[in-house]
Amino acid sequence: DAGVTQSPTHLIKTRGQQVTLRCSPKSGHDTVSWYQQALGQGPQFIFQYYEEEERQRGNFPDRFSGHQFPNYSSELNVNALWLGDSALYLCASSLIGGSINEQFFGPGTRLTVL
Amino acid sequence: GNSVTQMEGPVTLSEEAFLTINCTYTATGYPSLFWYVQYPGEGLQLLLKATKADDKGSNKGFEATYRKETTSFHLEKGSVQVSDSAVYFCALGNQGGKLIFGQGTELSVKP
Repeated sequence: DAGVTQSPTHLIKTRGQQVTLRCSPKSGHDTVSWYQQALGQGPQFIFQYYEEEERQRGNFPDRFSGHQFPNYSSELNVNALWLGDSALYLCASSLIGGSINEQFFGPGTRLTVL
Repeated sequence: GNSVTQMEGPVTLSEEAFLTINCTYTATGYPSLFWYVQYPGEGLQLLLKATKADDKGSNKGFEATYRKETTSFHLEKGSVQVSDSAVYFCALGNQGGKLIFGQGTELSVKP
């Protein structure tokens, strides 16, 4: 049973560029959430997708956008990157009908903005 | 708004010592509470959870009890091992499914 997978593992971008991160949820899960974890901090909720719609959003600017596909996989897009976007981006999946708070996390994508 | 506060680290213990990591929360309603663990270079793994007051979550020798009267969810283990060295995160989850994390507590266990 494959867990949550994310790609790429690491990414280096320069200020002003755009980036797309990808996530495949755990088998059987239908909800994907994205978190940003700055160095030495706890993860911060970005948004959550269910049925290809954004269900909840945290306190992040519109530069952060997402998408969920019919197979439940998801993308996180960040436009106009700036240095403060450097972080570990974590994807978590869950099942809407189950214990939705029980989220399973992927290994993350480490984004470095130079 | 909802928030989670954890004791600051790093916490350094000798092998077989007793561990307590304090976690308190502020929340409206009746959130679920979680402890996640993050090993170096990895994502987060769910360690244990509790969904209502007085519930005790347990896993791998770790325990935490959901105390509504003190709004706490302290993590304990009777005898830590070197392999327990990691960063531990307390989190609460609301009905909408969003998780709110504390800042994390780094644990280092020396042989």
